[in-house]
Amino acid sequence: AQSVSQHNHHVILSEAASLELGCNYSYGGTVNLFWYVQYPGQHLQLLLKYFSGDPLVKGIKGFEAEFIKSKFSFNLRKPSVQWSDTAEYFCAVNPSGTYKYIFGTGTRLKVLA
Amino acid sequence: GAVVSQHPSRVICKSGTSVKIECRSLDFQATTMFWYRQFPKQSLMLMATSNEGSKATYEQGVEKDKFLINHASLTLSTLTVTSAHPEDSSFYICSARDLQETQYFGPGTRLLVL
Repeated sequence: AQSVSQHNHHVILSEAASLELGCNYSYGGTVNLFWYVQYPGQHLQLLLKYFSGDPLVKGIKGFEAEFIKSKFSFNLRKPSVQWSDTAEYFCAVNPSGTYKYIFGTGTRLKVLA
Repeated sequence: GAVVSQHPSRVICKSGTSVKIECRSLDFQATTMFWYRQFPKQSLMLMATSNEGSKATYEQGVEKDKFLINHASLTLSTLTVTSAHPEDSSFYICSARDLQETQYFGPGTRLLVL
């Protein structure tokens, strides 16, 4: 079955630390990839997406993600986190040719001021 | 950016009653909308895919007679929880898919069935 794994369930960092959140998926075909963020009390917002082309994708608020096809991974990175990045982050995979998104279980990030 | 609204944001109802939740895409047309359920500290579970002008496609294990979905226009989909029970209490989220195949999410509706 298709699945998305986010191995880090909880991450705690100090401000200015670097961030990398893992996302791996199990699907052999072409996929579209997404990272969404859910700030406390708010709805899911799109951070960035990858459809094709340059595997290094830049999103909003200084986030980026790299698609490594051979590793079935789409890890999210930010060189220097801020307290305002405290949120829950969801990776989603959309198998090409379908409408469905398959979500990971999410990673709760807490940034200490 | 694309905006999706949901109404109401929260609702409390008695067991056995029905509740309707609206999902609107405010600045784009969405031929496809989705309804999810989010359990505490868990990811989103897709309940159904709603296509404008046709019947919704339900995921395995989701009762179509209990969760009625109507997608009457390109900007509006509704989810009606019929004969609600306490176990239906949850956070329901809709999303709308734009022409670039990206889903944008509504703020969610918290349902509490007493």
